[in-house]
Amino acid sequence: TQLLEQSPQFLSIQEGENLTVYCNSSSVFSSLQWYRQEPGEGPVLLVTVVTGGEVKKLKRLTFQFGDARKDSSLHITAAQPGDTGLYLCAGAIPGGGADGLTFGKGTHLIIQP
Amino acid sequence: ETGVTQSPTHLIKTRGQQVTLRCSSQSGHNTVSWYQQALGQGPQFIFQYYREEENGRGNFPPRFSGLQFPNYSSELNVNALELDDSALYLCASRGQDYGYTFGSGTRLTVV
Repeated sequence: TQLLEQSPQFLSIQEGENLTVYCNSSSVFSSLQWYRQEPGEGPVLLVTVVTGGEVKKLKRLTFQFGDARKDSSLHITAAQPGDTGLYLCAGAIPGGGADGLTFGKGTHLIIQP
Repeated sequence: ETGVTQSPTHLIKTRGQQVTLRCSSQSGHNTVSWYQQALGQGPQFIFQYYREEENGRGNFPPRFSGLQFPNYSSELNVNALELDDSALYLCASRGQDYGYTFGSGTRLTVV
């Protein structure tokens, strides 16, 4: 059973369009992180959200943590080809600092010029 | 900051062999964890070390073992390699902001 479900699994859109990807779980997380991974590379941290209801913005990217700390979303405005990559959400279980991160399977995003 | 470096970048081993993968943590990070990422999947937590002691482990068998050294560098050892061990192995060090810094990984192929 996948603890973190990401949707959609694949997304291909045109440059300039907006998109939202989702990360859902039945478990509560003490914090949730979003990473972007390119082929042959390790994941690169984009943001960490800690407080339920928190919204963080990183240029054209907006991240939201659900009020119950069970879900999160990533919204990209005016997508660009450079946004292409695998977007992974990862959660830390409360009290489980030594248990590492639980990752979703990721959303494969392709932005076509 | 020097980032997290892993070696080797690619490796081919035969089923039944043993392998050691290496990781140098980002400067100032004393927590290191290892992940296995199969093709098309998200990373799966193997184990974590803090100040040279293993303090967390995922659902991996004992033939996956590790070490962390006083300089916070780390090794992942896998004995009796199986075909399903073929994957990208990622090392990550953690700072104070919850976030992990990942290396580029070692691509292990078991034939």
